[in-house]
Parts: sequence; C-alpha cells; structure tokens
Amino acid sequence: GDSVTQMEGPVTLSEEAFLTINCTYTATGYPSLFWYVQYPGEGLQLLLKATKADDKGSNKGFEATYRKETTSFHLEKGSVQVSDSAVYFCALSHNQGGKLIFGQGTELSVKP
Amino acid sequence: GAGVSQTPSNKVTEKGKYVELRCDPISGHTALYWYRQSLGQGPEFLIYFQGTGAADDSGLPNDRFFAVRPEGSVSTLKIQRTERGDSAVYLCASSVTTGGFHEQYFGPGTRLTVT
Repeated sequence: GDSVTQMEGPVTLSEEAFLTINCTYTATGYPSLFWYVQYPGEGLQLLLKATKADDKGSNKGFEATYRKETTSFHLEKGSVQVSDSAVYFCALSHNQGGKLIFGQGTELSVKP
Repeated sequence: GAGVSQTPSNKVTEKGKYVELRCDPISGHTALYWYRQSLGQGPEFLIYFQGTGAADDSGLPNDRFFAVRPEGSVSTLKIQRTERGDSAVYLCASSVTTGGFHEQYFGPGTRLTVT
C-alpha cells in the first residue's frame, strides 16, 4: 500500500540556519503531495502542496519540489526562525477520494 | 469564519465504555474525514464522508468503530467497548469536496484516554 517516510527527529537548528527535512513516498499512480505543520498547542494546518511531478510548492519561505524520479518531496527553508519550531508532516493523497496518508512527523526546534 | 470544531476536547473513559466524538465541519464543506493520531505518530486515516454517505471506511480498525453524518454536516464517531489501545487524539477535517486537490482543514482534535 501507499506510504510516506520522513527523516526522524528531533531536528535542532540555530536561528538563520538552512533546513532540510527529507520525505520519500511509495504510491501507485500520481498522488498529490503535501507538507502539514503543527505548531505547539495548535491544530494541523497545510503548509504547502504540489499536485504533479516537477511542481514546486512554496509558502512562508518554505518550499518543496515533487520529484517523481526519486519519489521525494523534501522540505527546505533557507533561514529558519524560532517561530518555525513545530512538528512537520509529509503526506500524500490520490485525487480520487483524497484521504491523506501521513509520515510519522519530524519535530523541529529552532534555538535563538 | 468558523473553522472545524470538535467536542469534547478531552474525554476520559473506562475500559469497556461507549464514547461519542463530535465534529462540526466548516459550513458548506461536503467532504468530512476522520483520522486518529497516536503519540509520536502521524495521523492515520479512519473514514471519510461525501455528503451523508461513507465513501471509504477502510481505515476503521474493527467493528467497534462506527461513524455517521446523517444530515451531511455534523459527524459523530462512535466507539463501543473501548480498549486502552483506543487512546489517541481523534482528528476531524473537512474540505469543499473530495479529491486530492482540495485542502483539508483540521479541527483541534479530541484527546481520548481509556483507563
């Protein structure tokens, strides 16, 4: 079945450091790919998405490119802030239906 | 506008009891999803509705779990004969309609603890 694998956390970075969180997937067909974020004490919210191969999703300085050849959707940010501290989830869904399949989450902690 | 709301926010129950968890989706959203999130894990799909009908219930773990959405808006997740392994955060999400293109908006979740 379909699955998503993320790099394990926690990831601890200093402010203004470069961030990469790896995500790879296994799926039939051509799913849509997502990054969701969960800030402390808040609900899950969509950070960015890409719906076809080579698409780049971007939001709040974060970006991720849908790479079908490597089945990856790595999350990057050039300069993280303390306010980016959160748990990040990579997910996929098929256009038919739309149920989300999530990775296990990666906790990011940014220190001043 | 109002987001997805879930009640109660916390529920503690004894093993073997029956519980109901409620979800109020965003007004006008026809698709509604239930997920379960165990500690340190990503959310796991349970069931989704398009309108009043359950379009996919393949994620329900066993027949103790059941969900309804009788009027195509509010949904209730029902768990019979609860077990300690049912302890988790139950998340509800809604979207304009089904389909992978459409953003799902999540509620804050109901934390269920079975003692």
